[in-house]
Amino acid sequence: AQSVSQHNHHVILSEAASLELGCNYSYGGTVNLFWYVQYPGQHLQLLLKYFSGDPLVKGIKGFEAEFIKSKFSFNLRKPSVQWSDTAEYFCAVIHGSGNTGKLIFGQGTTLQVKP
Amino acid sequence: KAGVTQTPRYLIKTRGQQVTLSCSPISGHRSVSWYQQTPGQGLQFLFEYFSETQRNKGNFPGRFSGRQFSNSRSEMNVSTLELGDSALYLCASSPGLAGTLQYFGPGTRLTVL
Repeated sequence: AQSVSQHNHHVILSEAASLELGCNYSYGGTVNLFWYVQYPGQHLQLLLKYFSGDPLVKGIKGFEAEFIKSKFSFNLRKPSVQWSDTAEYFCAVIHGSGNTGKLIFGQGTTLQVKP
Repeated sequence: KAGVTQTPRYLIKTRGQQVTLSCSPISGHRSVSWYQQTPGQGLQFLFEYFSETQRNKGNFPGRFSGRQFSNSRSEMNVSTLELGDSALYLCASSPGLAGTLQYFGPGTRLTVL
């Protein structure tokens, strides 16, 4: 079955530390890739997306992600985290040519940033 | 533009009852998808509608159903509720055929007692 795997379930960092959250997917064909964030008490928001083109994509709030097709990976990075980045982060994939809206989510990574 | 709205925001039901949840997409969006979020299973796709037609369905029992109206508003129904149906139900809308950007609503928190 198609799946998305997030390597870290719970990450604790101090402010100004660098962040990298791992994401791997199982499908070998065309994919659209997403990172969503869910701040405490808020709804899911899109951080960034990859459809095609430059594999290094930049999103909101200083986040970026790199699509490495050979590794089936789409890792999320941020050079310096802030306390306000405390949230749950979800990697998600849509498989195929885009004629479907079925997002397959990873299990999520809870990020706790200590001030 | 107003975002995706979902009603009600909170719901408490007992086992065996049925429930209907509503979703109003962003104005102009024609695609609506539904997801179930639980601590154990995470975010799981339920179904997707575009122009009143169900285009995709997740791996949920037939007790879960949905529909979309001509104004793109969508409802999902769960019949014969079970304790395990307690979850946050999220609706997402997309401008055209999904597969591009989906914008999520705040969800409906369903508790089954």
